[in-house]
Amino acid sequence: GENVEQHPSTLSVQEGDSAVIKCTYSDSASNYFPWYKQELGKGPQLIIDIRSNVGEKKDQRIAVTLNKTAKHFSLHITETQPEDSAVYFCAASRVSGNTGKLIFGQGTTLQVKP
Amino acid sequence: EAGVTQFPSHSVIEKGQTVTLRCDPISGHDNLYWYRRVMGKEIKFLLHFVKESKQDESGMPNNRFLAERTGGTYSTLKVQPAELEDSGVYFCASSPWTAQETQYFGPGTRLLVL
Repeated sequence: GENVEQHPSTLSVQEGDSAVIKCTYSDSASNYFPWYKQELGKGPQLIIDIRSNVGEKKDQRIAVTLNKTAKHFSLHITETQPEDSAVYFCAASRVSGNTGKLIFGQGTTLQVKP
Repeated sequence: EAGVTQFPSHSVIEKGQTVTLRCDPISGHDNLYWYRRVMGKEIKFLLHFVKESKQDESGMPNNRFLAERTGGTYSTLKVQPAELEDSGVYFCASSPWTAQETQYFGPGTRLLVL
Protein backbone atom coordinates (compact mmCIF):
# COMPACT_ATOMS: atom_id res chain seq x y z
CA GLY A 1 0.00 0.00 0.00
CA GLU A 2 0.93 3.67 0.02
CA ASN A 3 3.68 4.44 2.47
CA VAL A 4 5.98 7.32 3.46
CA GLU A 5 9.17 6.71 5.44
CA GLN A 6 10.62 9.67 7.38
CA HIS A 7 14.07 9.98 9.00
CA PRO A 8 15.37 10.75 11.49
CA SER A 9 12.73 10.29 14.19
CA THR A 10 14.54 12.77 16.45
CA LEU A 11 17.02 15.49 15.60
CA SER A 12 18.89 17.77 17.97
CA VAL A 13 20.87 20.74 16.63
CA GLN A 14 22.56 23.79 18.02
CA GLU A 15 20.93 27.15 17.36
CA GLY A 16 22.22 28.52 14.06
CA ASP A 17 22.99 25.10 12.59
CA SER A 18 21.06 23.53 9.72
CA ALA A 19 18.57 20.70 10.02
CA VAL A 20 17.66 18.20 7.32
CA ILE A 21 14.75 15.78 7.37
CA LYS A 22 14.33 13.16 4.65
CA CYS A 23 11.30 11.28 3.35
CA THR A 24 10.81 8.48 0.86
CA TYR A 25 7.46 7.61 -0.69
CA SER A 26 6.21 4.45 -2.36
CA ASP A 27 3.42 5.60 -4.70
CA SER A 28 5.05 6.75 -7.92
CA ALA A 29 1.84 8.58 -8.84
CA SER A 30 2.23 10.98 -5.90
CA ASN A 31 2.40 14.55 -7.13
CA TYR A 32 2.03 16.78 -4.08
CA PHE A 33 4.40 16.86 -1.10
CA PRO A 34 3.59 19.16 1.84
CA TRP A 35 5.52 19.60 5.07
CA TYR A 36 3.71 20.31 8.33
CA LYS A 37 5.01 21.62 11.64
CA GLN A 38 3.19 20.63 14.82
CA GLU A 39 3.80 22.50 18.05
CA LEU A 40 2.73 21.20 21.42
CA GLY A 41 -1.05 21.22 21.84
CA LYS A 42 -1.69 22.47 18.33
CA GLY A 43 -2.65 20.91 15.03
CA PRO A 44 -0.22 20.48 12.12
CA GLN A 45 0.47 23.70 10.21
CA LEU A 46 1.65 23.76 6.62
CA ILE A 47 5.11 25.33 6.33
CA ILE A 48 6.00 24.58 2.73
CA ASP A 49 4.90 22.32 -0.10
CA ILE A 50 6.15 21.22 -3.49
CA ARG A 51 4.47 19.75 -6.54
CA SER A 52 5.97 17.14 -8.82
CA ASN A 53 6.74 19.54 -11.65
CA VAL A 54 9.21 21.41 -9.44
CA GLY A 55 12.55 20.14 -8.10
CA GLU A 56 13.19 22.71 -5.39
CA LYS A 57 11.32 25.41 -3.54
CA LYS A 58 12.56 27.92 -1.00
CA ASP A 59 10.85 30.19 1.50
CA GLN A 60 13.25 32.23 3.63
CA ARG A 61 15.05 29.75 5.91
CA ILE A 62 13.09 26.75 4.69
CA ALA A 63 13.64 24.78 1.49
CA VAL A 64 12.30 21.55 0.09
CA THR A 65 13.88 19.41 -2.62
CA LEU A 66 12.20 16.65 -4.60
CA ASN A 67 13.78 13.79 -6.52
CA LYS A 68 10.98 12.02 -8.38
CA THR A 69 13.24 9.38 -9.87
CA ALA A 70 14.42 8.27 -6.45
CA LYS A 71 11.02 8.98 -4.87
CA HIS A 72 12.39 11.06 -2.06
CA PHE A 73 12.07 14.61 -0.81
CA SER A 74 13.78 16.58 1.93
CA LEU A 75 13.20 19.56 4.19
CA HIS A 76 16.11 21.88 4.90
CA ILE A 77 15.99 24.47 7.66
CA THR A 78 18.92 26.87 7.83
CA GLU A 79 19.98 29.11 10.71
CA THR A 80 17.76 27.22 13.12
CA GLN A 81 16.18 29.06 16.04
CA PRO A 82 14.70 27.71 19.30
CA GLU A 83 11.21 28.43 17.98
CA ASP A 84 11.83 25.91 15.19
CA SER A 85 11.61 23.19 17.86
CA ALA A 86 8.53 21.09 17.03
CA VAL A 87 7.44 17.85 15.36
CA TYR A 88 7.74 17.94 11.58
CA PHE A 89 5.70 15.71 9.29
CA CYS A 90 6.22 15.08 5.61
CA ALA A 91 3.34 13.87 3.50
CA ALA A 92 2.67 12.68 -0.03
CA SER A 93 -0.53 12.78 -1.99
CA ARG A 94 -1.85 11.66 -5.35
CA VAL A 95 -3.93 14.72 -6.03
CA SER A 96 -6.28 14.10 -8.92
CA GLY A 97 -9.69 15.61 -9.55
CA ASN A 98 -11.37 15.63 -6.21
CA THR A 99 -9.18 13.20 -4.32
CA GLY A 100 -6.37 14.35 -2.09
CA LYS A 101 -5.78 12.26 1.01
CA LEU A 102 -2.39 12.84 2.59
CA ILE A 103 -0.09 9.92 3.44
CA PHE A 104 2.11 11.04 6.32
CA GLY A 105 5.55 10.06 7.50
CA GLN A 106 6.13 9.09 11.12
CA GLY A 107 7.27 12.55 12.19
CA THR A 108 10.59 14.05 13.28
CA THR A 109 10.98 15.73 16.66
CA LEU A 110 13.39 18.63 16.16
CA GLN A 111 15.05 20.20 19.16
CA VAL A 112 17.04 23.39 18.68
CA LYS A 113 19.32 24.10 21.63
CA PRO A 114 19.99 27.74 22.42
CA GLU B 1 -10.97 34.21 9.20
CA ALA B 2 -11.56 31.54 11.85
CA GLY B 3 -9.59 28.34 11.45
CA VAL B 4 -10.74 24.75 11.73
CA THR B 5 -12.20 24.10 15.18
CA GLN B 6 -12.70 20.80 16.95
CA PHE B 7 -14.67 19.84 20.01
CA PRO B 8 -13.97 18.56 22.57
CA SER B 9 -10.25 19.18 22.93
CA HIS B 10 -9.93 16.16 25.24
CA SER B 11 -12.14 13.19 26.02
CA VAL B 12 -11.59 10.36 28.48
CA ILE B 13 -14.07 7.49 28.27
CA GLU B 14 -14.28 3.88 29.30
CA LYS B 15 -14.12 0.97 26.92
CA GLY B 16 -17.55 0.24 25.52
CA GLN B 17 -18.82 3.81 25.78
CA THR B 18 -19.71 6.09 22.89
CA VAL B 19 -17.94 9.30 21.97
CA THR B 20 -18.81 11.89 19.35
CA LEU B 21 -16.20 14.27 18.01
CA ARG B 22 -17.13 17.41 16.15
CA CYS B 23 -15.29 19.39 13.51
CA ASP B 24 -16.19 22.81 12.14
CA PRO B 25 -14.23 23.49 8.95
CA ILE B 26 -13.22 26.90 7.68
CA SER B 27 -16.36 28.59 6.39
CA GLY B 28 -16.97 27.84 2.73
CA HIS B 29 -14.57 24.89 2.53
CA ASP B 30 -16.18 22.06 0.60
CA ASN B 31 -13.56 19.44 1.48
CA LEU B 32 -13.37 18.03 4.99
CA TYR B 33 -10.94 15.31 6.09
CA TRP B 34 -10.58 13.23 9.24
CA TYR B 35 -7.19 11.88 10.30
CA ARG B 36 -5.94 10.08 13.40
CA ARG B 37 -2.57 9.81 15.12
CA VAL B 38 -2.19 6.84 17.44
CA MET B 39 0.54 6.78 20.14
CA GLY B 40 3.39 8.61 18.41
CA LYS B 41 2.88 6.92 15.06
CA GLU B 42 2.13 8.57 11.76
CA ILE B 43 -1.00 10.59 11.12
CA LYS B 44 -3.38 8.30 9.22
CA PHE B 45 -6.19 9.26 6.86
CA LEU B 46 -9.68 8.18 7.86
CA LEU B 47 -12.05 9.75 5.36
CA HIS B 48 -12.82 12.66 3.05
CA PHE B 49 -16.08 14.53 2.54
CA VAL B 50 -16.91 16.74 -0.39
CA LYS B 51 -19.76 18.84 0.91
CA GLU B 52 -22.11 16.25 2.46
CA SER B 53 -20.92 13.28 0.40
CA LYS B 54 -18.28 10.76 1.40
CA GLN B 55 -15.66 10.95 -1.34
CA ASP B 56 -13.23 8.45 0.18
CA GLU B 57 -13.70 6.41 3.34
CA SER B 58 -10.94 3.91 2.69
CA GLY B 59 -9.16 4.74 5.94
CA MET B 60 -12.03 4.04 8.33
CA PRO B 61 -10.79 1.21 10.57
CA ASN B 62 -14.09 -0.63 11.09
CA ASN B 63 -17.84 -0.20 11.42
CA ARG B 64 -17.56 1.14 14.96
CA PHE B 65 -16.68 4.47 13.37
CA LEU B 66 -19.43 6.58 11.79
CA ALA B 67 -18.80 9.95 10.18
CA GLU B 68 -21.46 12.36 9.05
CA ARG B 69 -21.57 15.78 7.49
CA THR B 70 -25.22 16.69 7.23
CA GLY B 71 -25.80 19.90 5.31
CA GLY B 72 -22.21 20.01 4.19
CA THR B 73 -21.04 22.19 7.06
CA TYR B 74 -19.72 20.69 10.29
CA SER B 75 -18.91 17.02 10.64
CA THR B 76 -19.17 14.49 13.46
CA LEU B 77 -17.21 11.32 14.01
CA LYS B 78 -18.82 8.84 16.35
CA VAL B 79 -17.06 5.86 17.87
CA GLN B 80 -19.41 3.23 19.24
CA PRO B 81 -18.47 1.20 21.18
CA ALA B 82 -14.99 2.58 21.90
CA GLU B 83 -12.06 0.17 22.28
CA LEU B 84 -8.66 0.74 23.90
CA GLU B 85 -6.92 0.92 20.51
CA ASP B 86 -9.09 3.89 19.51
CA SER B 87 -7.06 6.15 21.81
CA GLY B 88 -5.16 8.82 19.97
CA VAL B 89 -5.48 12.30 18.54
CA TYR B 90 -8.19 12.86 15.94
CA PHE B 91 -7.53 15.69 13.52
CA CYS B 92 -9.89 17.36 11.13
CA ALA B 93 -8.72 19.33 8.11
CA SER B 94 -10.47 21.32 5.43
CA SER B 95 -9.64 22.71 2.02
CA PRO B 96 -11.53 25.05 -0.31
CA TRP B 97 -12.89 24.22 -3.74
CA THR B 98 -10.91 21.20 -4.86
CA ALA B 99 -8.87 18.53 -3.14
CA GLN B 100 -5.77 20.05 -4.73
CA GLU B 101 -5.82 22.93 -2.32
CA THR B 102 -3.84 23.13 0.92
CA GLN B 103 -5.39 21.26 3.83
CA TYR B 104 -5.76 23.34 7.01
CA PHE B 105 -5.77 21.33 10.21
CA GLY B 106 -7.64 21.83 13.44
CA PRO B 107 -6.04 21.46 16.88
CA GLY B 108 -7.25 17.89 17.30
CA THR B 109 -9.29 15.97 19.87
CA ARG B 110 -7.24 13.87 22.26
CA LEU B 111 -9.21 10.69 22.99
CA LEU B 112 -8.24 8.32 25.76
CA VAL B 113 -10.16 5.06 26.13
CA LEU B 114 -9.62 3.34 29.49
